[in-house]
Amino acid sequence: AQSVTQLDSHVSVSEGTPVLLRCNYSSSYSPSLFWYVQHPNKGLQLLLKYTSAATLVKGINGFEAEFKKSETSFHLTKPSAHMSDAAEYFCVVRGSYGQNFVFGPGTRLSVLP
Amino acid sequence: DVKVTQSSRYLVKRTGEKVFLECVQDMDHENMFWYRQDPGLGLRLIYFSYDVKMKEKGDIPEGYSVSREKKERFSLILESASTNQTSMYLCASSFVEVNYGYTFGSGTRLTVV
Repeated sequence: AQSVTQLDSHVSVSEGTPVLLRCNYSSSYSPSLFWYVQHPNKGLQLLLKYTSAATLVKGINGFEAEFKKSETSFHLTKPSAHMSDAAEYFCVVRGSYGQNFVFGPGTRLSVLP
Repeated sequence: DVKVTQSSRYLVKRTGEKVFLECVQDMDHENMFWYRQDPGLGLRLIYFSYDVKMKEKGDIPEGYSVSREKKERFSLILESASTNQTSMYLCASSFVEVNYGYTFGSGTRLTVV
């Protein structure tokens, strides 16, 4: 079965410093991977996705992620954090039902002034 | 602006009540999904539907049922609400090719007392 592990439940960074949110996946076939963001009291929004094309994927708001098959990882990065990046981030893998997504437990990102 | 609309943002119901959560999408998506979101657990799939009158169980279907009489509408039913069903419920929709990603509603926060 497909699954996702997010290694940190909470990450805190200072504004202007780099962001790294870690994700490892388990999949019995070539995975489709996504990152979603959820701002407080808002719905989830797609940040970026990997679907077997380029391994370095660029998303919205300056985020990017790199698919590393040998490490079964799909870490999310941003060179410089902004206050508006404070949110919950979910790493997602396409699930075994084919049509569904399996979500990780989430990482809460705090950005300090 | 395309959207997924959930009929209620907040609901409070009593134990044993029958509860209906409604979701409508205007994107002509074939697939629709119901997830519940709990702290530390991420999103867990309850039911999904890939066509009118079709439904499939997700990972945690116990205590829930669904109805999809029209393509744009997907209802989640709690047959007899219990306190352990207190949660945030998220509806999502997608095209058949789910690698385009899901579009989420804003969620319904249900409290069962």
